[in-house]
Formats: sequence, structure tokens, C-alpha cells
Amino acid sequence: GAGVSQTPSNKVTEKGKYVELRCDPISGHTALYWYRQSLGQGPEFLIYFQGTGAADDSGLPNDRFFAVRPEGSVSTLKIQRTERGDSAVYLCASSAQGLGGELFFGEGSRLTVL
Amino acid sequence: LAKTTQPISMDSYEGQEVNITCSHNNIATNDYITWYQQFPSQGPRFIIQGYKTKVTNEVASLFIPADRKSSTLSLPRVSLSDTAVYYCLVGAGGGGSYIPTFGRGTSLIVHP
Repeated sequence: GAGVSQTPSNKVTEKGKYVELRCDPISGHTALYWYRQSLGQGPEFLIYFQGTGAADDSGLPNDRFFAVRPEGSVSTLKIQRTERGDSAVYLCASSAQGLGGELFFGEGSRLTVL
Repeated sequence: LAKTTQPISMDSYEGQEVNITCSHNNIATNDYITWYQQFPSQGPRFIIQGYKTKVTNEVASLFIPADRKSSTLSLPRVSLSDTAVYYCLVGAGGGGSYIPTFGRGTSLIVHP
């Protein structure tokens, strides 16, 4: 596709449920980032992939959060046992370069945990 | 990691030039300065990147003084559609262990 695609655009779930958020990066982009953004705040880094491997997962808040990118393209962010505090917009970005290259963001997946 | 400081908010009027300054006193030798723009319900969008002096593109100009401890994003003749949040990021371009890190940004409101 022409840009970074994220699905679903909106997800409402109940506390304790499992959620998957998908990111389809720009074709050929090897670097992929996940960020989380709460209202009034800037995007907060979660995890960075270079190819298939998670090169830096230092931003994942706890072990309920996990992300994969098995074929070096599409990535899935997985959240187990969701909590109300997980409610936020989850942004995915891809880059043709490694760290520091221009980021191309998707429109985000808005997660609401009731 | 160089910390950045920028105003929380700014107001302007259509047709005016807007300058948003970002302070980054502990910028490292190989750090670049990058600005992103974010509209509501969208992801941030790259505006401009520079290392020193002045960079200009079709959207904005970036002024970086010789000591590189600050930078100024200049938006010429703003319109209502420039209302957005603007983020200043500082870090190594193209290598190293730099993860693009966003602060709270500057919320620019352009009035008619």
C-alpha cells in the first residue's frame, strides 16, 4: 500500500480480555516501531523491529505486552489481560533506514478498555 | 539522550510567520534535529531535519545556530490547516542506538 496501515482503527474491549493490533508497514521498510499515545501526551516508544527481530523492546510497560514481526513485514502488538490504563492510541511507524531515519506513521488504533 | 524543551502551546493568526524554538542544551556531536507535525486523529508526519545552519523545504525552514543548543522551526504565512502539535526530536540520524523519542510537543493554534 501507499502508507502504513493499522487495523482495527478502533477497538473497545473489556478489562481482562486479550487484544491484537495489526500494522502493515510501507513495502520494503525494514524498520518498524510501535508507540502508544495518551491524550495530551506525545507518542511513547514501546518496541522497535529491524527485520524480523525485536532490536529494542525497552519501552514495553510489562509482560502483558508482546509484539511480533515473523516475516519482517506485518507486525502484531498483543496485549494480554487488558487493563483500563491500557486505553490509548497505539501508533505504528516504519522507516526505510535503521534507527534515526524518517518515520512514516499510520493513523493508529484507538484502544478503549472498559 | 539529548533532552528537548519547547513551549507547550502557541497561538497565531492566519498569514503570520510562526517560529517555534526548541532547546537541546546537551545535544551530541552526531545528533540531528528533526521536527514532526501531528494533526488530531493522525500519526505524526515528518516535516524537516537538519544538522546545522539552515534547512528549507516546501513546508518549513529550520534554523540551527552554531552552538546547536537550540533550533527554530519557522512556518511562513500559516493557515488554519497548520493548527497541529509540533514535536522537536534530537538524536543520531541513521545509526547508533537512537530511538526517536517524542516529548509533549508544542500545540499551535492558528486563528482566523
